Amino acid sequence: DTEVTQTPKHLVMGMTNKKSLKCEQHMGHRAMYWYKQKAKKPPELMFVYSYEKLSINESVPSRFSPECPNSSLLNLHLHALQPEDSALYLCASSQVVSFTDTQYFGPGTRLTVL
Amino acid sequence: AQKITQTQPGMFVQEKEAVTLDCTYDTSDPSYGLFWYKQPSSGEMIFLIYQGSYDQQNATEGRYSLNFQKARKSANLVISASQLGDSAMYFCAMREGLSNAGKSTFGDGTTLTVKP
Repeated sequence: DTEVTQTPKHLVMGMTNKKSLKCEQHMGHRAMYWYKQKAKKPPELMFVYSYEKLSINESVPSRFSPECPNSSLLNLHLHALQPEDSALYLCASSQVVSFTDTQYFGPGTRLTVL
Repeated sequence: AQKITQTQPGMFVQEKEAVTLDCTYDTSDPSYGLFWYKQPSSGEMIFLIYQGSYDQQNATEGRYSLNFQKARKSANLVISASQLGDSAMYFCAMREGLSNAGKSTFGDGTTLTVKP
């Protein structure tokens, strides 16, 4: 079963709100990723967790705060976002961080910041 | 320089015909993996096929095959017997080596439209 789940599917928030995106996988993968994708553009890497530790932060603004409570779960906490942060947020997982490992993506959360 | 280049922003194909989506890549690392993903309008990125730099044979997965030409640094996706459900955006991606493997590089994508 190659399933990554994400909740919520859609999220509308104001610039002063605090919200969280959730990602879950039960494939025993030890690497998890957050990507941001604007319409008709490729995904942009935000964060990489390897064995529950943050291994890559692609200079993402601090209003995005990732958290990996355990090997199956990945959260993205959002605070004081800007309208330009509106995008599709994709979570992915892979066995480990390796060039041979396939990343499996979730269905994404469509975020709108008003 | 772009690491992954997809030169076809949009492609059309007749149902039941084959289509080739182009992907060229640039790396000096001998160890890398090449991936193709399909993204329908719903948004989910669906993994299609993988080719490793050390693989001797071209990868195949059902109706998908990868035409891997290492010397030319190309990894074209061939879809045989196109179906209406194949209409989507297709991304070519690369993961390099040991230290950079966490970072997938994606091409700009090709939008494929299958005509009935």
